Amino acid sequence: DSGVTQTPKHLITATGQRVTLRCSPRSGDLSVYWYQQSLDQGLQFLIQYYNGEERAKGNILERFSAQQFPDLHSELNLSSLELGDSALYFCASSVSVNTEAFFGQGTRLTVV
Amino acid sequence: DAKTTQPPSMDCAEGRAANLPCNHSTISGNEYVYWYRQIHSQGPQYIIHGLKNNETNEMASLIITEDRKSSTLILPHATLRDTAVYYCIVRAGSYSNYQLIWGAGTKLIIKP
Repeated sequence: DSGVTQTPKHLITATGQRVTLRCSPRSGDLSVYWYQQSLDQGLQFLIQYYNGEERAKGNILERFSAQQFPDLHSELNLSSLELGDSALYFCASSVSVNTEAFFGQGTRLTVV
Repeated sequence: DAKTTQPPSMDCAEGRAANLPCNHSTISGNEYVYWYRQIHSQGPQYIIHGLKNNETNEMASLIITEDRKSSTLILPHATLRDTAVYYCIVRAGSYSNYQLIWGAGTKLIIKP
């Protein structure tokens, strides 16, 4: 158990819908990262937050947005969902921006 | 684009040392090498990281060549539970803004 909690574990929704994925980082970790992993693919970095502020942006679509709240939990919002958005979405956290990150077990999103 | 190159797959006999190579010929002087593994579709698990010195922890050893253009992850006594995809990653960016760039990884299969 990495200490990073992601909810829900599974999510099935229809195209065009909007969903919110939630991440609770390890206690004491200030930095949160979001990654997308499509079937049999590597991890694609989406976005990073540190203590509530966006720090780095990767290949995140405009239909996707994220935020980190004062209690340090983070949410990833995915809207106007398409079939191609079906993937595993991982959240990771670290103490600071340059230390090792620990991953949650992911949210498996299926868009039908 | 991933900044690392790894063999797509490797086999190793149970109880033997598993040596996983990684090339990172374009690595910069301040970029760290990280290793993670992912068992099936679980969240990636941090293994070890290093800058230029060899590193060892309870899970593995990391050997980085003197020119830092390649490294080897060593699992000293592989078990069946070490079967996973192993990712060699270069941490890119500045102190306040970095991201892990993931490649395709090496699928390591431990055979009884």
